[in-house]
Amino acid sequence: AQTVTQSQPEMSVQEAETVTLSCTYDTSESDYYLFWYKQPPSRQMILVIRQEAYKQQNATENRFSVNFQKAAKSFSLKISDSQLGDAAMYFCAYRSASRDDKIIFGKGTRLHILP
Amino acid sequence: DSGVTQTPKHLITATGQRVTLRCSPRSGDLSVYWYQQSLDQGLQFLIQYYNGEERAKGNILERFSAQQFPDLHSELNLSSLELGDSALYFCASSTRTGHETQYFGPGTRLLVL
Repeated sequence: AQTVTQSQPEMSVQEAETVTLSCTYDTSESDYYLFWYKQPPSRQMILVIRQEAYKQQNATENRFSVNFQKAAKSFSLKISDSQLGDAAMYFCAYRSASRDDKIIFGKGTRLHILP
Repeated sequence: DSGVTQTPKHLITATGQRVTLRCSPRSGDLSVYWYQQSLDQGLQFLIQYYNGEERAKGNILERFSAQQFPDLHSELNLSSLELGDSALYFCASSTRTGHETQYFGPGTRLLVL
């Protein structure tokens, strides 16, 4: 079974600085998708970034970028120029590219932004 | 705003009762997924429907059931409620199935007293 592990329950970063959230996963599949979702205090689940496993190029979305290391099964999220609005719980997630395409979530990392 | 709507936003009920949570997917989305977020279990997949048919099942209790209607909205029915069923229930939708990103609704917060 696939698993997703986020080893940092909480992190803090100074406003305008850069922070990296770690995620590792375990799978025997070769075709899958990885995601980072953000959950602010409103509890809404917001997609931050998505990575297809078959793509070697790391995904980027404005201030958010990932470091995808397929062989190491590592998928970290880098947030540049951190803003107060980035404070949230961040979930790393995995989804197989097969027909049974539920998302498997990690336990989350709570990110605090220090003014 | 993801385009996925869920009602009600909050629900308070007593043990032993039955409730129905409703989800309307984004316009054009055929797949609907239900997830449960609780403090002890984290975010867990419950069940998926695609165009009216059950497609995948996760850790869904027998006391829980779901369905997707011809207009593609979905309902999650929770019966014989227990204190441990208190959680945030999310619905997500995607265009088809297999390779599409899932977009989440705002969730329904259920409190069982």
